[in-house]
Amino acid sequence: EVQLVQSGAEVKKPGESLKISCKGSGYIFNTNWIGWVRQMPGKGLEWMGIVYPHDSNTRYSPSFQGQVTISADKSISTAYLQWSGLKASDTAMYYCVRLNIVATNYYFDNWGQGTLVTVSS
Amino acid sequence: QSVLTQPPSVSGAPGQRVSISCTGSSSNIGAGYDVQWYQQLPGTAPKLLIYGNNNRPSGVPDRFSGSKSGTSASLAITGLQAEDEADYYCQSYDSSLSGSYVFGTGTKVTVL
Repeated sequence: EVQLVQSGAEVKKPGESLKISCKGSGYIFNTNWIGWVRQMPGKGLEWMGIVYPHDSNTRYSPSFQGQVTISADKSISTAYLQWSGLKASDTAMYYCVRLNIVATNYYFDNWGQGTLVTVSS
Repeated sequence: QSVLTQPPSVSGAPGQRVSISCTGSSSNIGAGYDVQWYQQLPGTAPKLLIYGNNNRPSGVPDRFSGSKSGTSASLAITGLQAEDEADYYCQSYDSSLSGSYVFGTGTKVTVL
């Protein structure tokens, strides 16, 4: 069974740095892109970016380029999302997702349980 | 901001049929990219409901069906049940935004 297990909830102050994680199991981690999706309180889903664990190739949504860093460590089947200077507007639930690509179809077939990030002074 | 537009809410009585639209453009759905639908029950992570326009993953009831035409897609729920009350999001790929995986604005389904 494919599973994506994310790290626990975080409470941080503005300006602090943070790195959250997503560990994959039940499949060959290197072979699928892993992405991150943001959901702000009471709002919809926003795709942030993806990483290919095999070679750490990354792609970002224009809305998040330069705001976050996505990475992966294939040796421990784990992907990461990090910030160098958090803002209150980063308060949200963050989901990791596994991307499946079939011809012209790109979809997220497995989701992590979510990591709630709260940024408050 | 979302490039796929959905109605904010739809509602129906138990047993009824409801439909949710997802309107895109020539750079996403109209370009031939497939559409997915995700269901997000209250307080939980989203779950894949429909992929490739009209395919259901194992375990998804056949009350849920999808379709696509031109620059739009639709999700239909027949025989509406109380447990279907959730938020639903469509998703596709957009070639105009440096290759982005775009979501719809989301629709809240209420079972009356």
